[in-house]
Amino acid sequence: DQQVKQNSPSLSVQEGRISILNCDYTNSMFDYFLWYKKYPAEGPTFLISISSIKDKNEDGRFTVFLNKSAKHLSLHIVPSQPGDSAVYFCAASEWAGNQFYFGTGTSLTVIP
Amino acid sequence: DTGVSQDPRHKITKRGQNVTFRCDPISEHNRLYWYRQTLGQGPEFLTYFQNEAQLEKSRLLSDRFSAERPKGSFSTLEIQRTEQGDSAMYLCASSLEQGIRTYEQYFGPGTRLTVT
Repeated sequence: DQQVKQNSPSLSVQEGRISILNCDYTNSMFDYFLWYKKYPAEGPTFLISISSIKDKNEDGRFTVFLNKSAKHLSLHIVPSQPGDSAVYFCAASEWAGNQFYFGTGTSLTVIP
Repeated sequence: DTGVSQDPRHKITKRGQNVTFRCDPISEHNRLYWYRQTLGQGPEFLTYFQNEAQLEKSRLLSDRFSAERPKGSFSTLEIQRTEQGDSAMYLCASSLEQGIRTYEQYFGPGTRLTVT
């Protein structure tokens, strides 16, 4: 059973606009959430994370929002740049980070 | 470059053969994870080490899979009697157990296995 879901396999956005990537989860025991970016032929790269005690975390152009009641998180990229074109995975972990569950990924294309 | 490295990057093997992959984590990282990724899917957790101790193992992990981290540094993942369904990208990741940074995993480039 897929405990972390990314229902949009792909997303296209114009350069300079906002990209919003969504992720839903089912396990209420998840304590920590992360976003990874992946380029072809490379392993995923850590992007940004959020603890369940927060509802927002910002790092430069990247902001992650967490809605625990809806079991939903989103990644906002503003402004989007062509170099942001990649596959984005959300991931979740229960306390202690012994096991991580990944979504199926969303392929973002930023059009110049 | 002090990132996570994996060897080999590609492996083609015939069904029934055994294969072994190696992962060298970032040197100060005490946690090491193995994942498997197939096309169109996210990384799927296989197992996790803290130092040399294997602390978690996915219930989906077949008995044909075994992993070791003998001195708490590099790790090996062995698949015995490979099957075509084992064809996938095998990813290794490491992290440092240090508060919130525990969760920030650094991934290697992966080993792509093809079983013919």
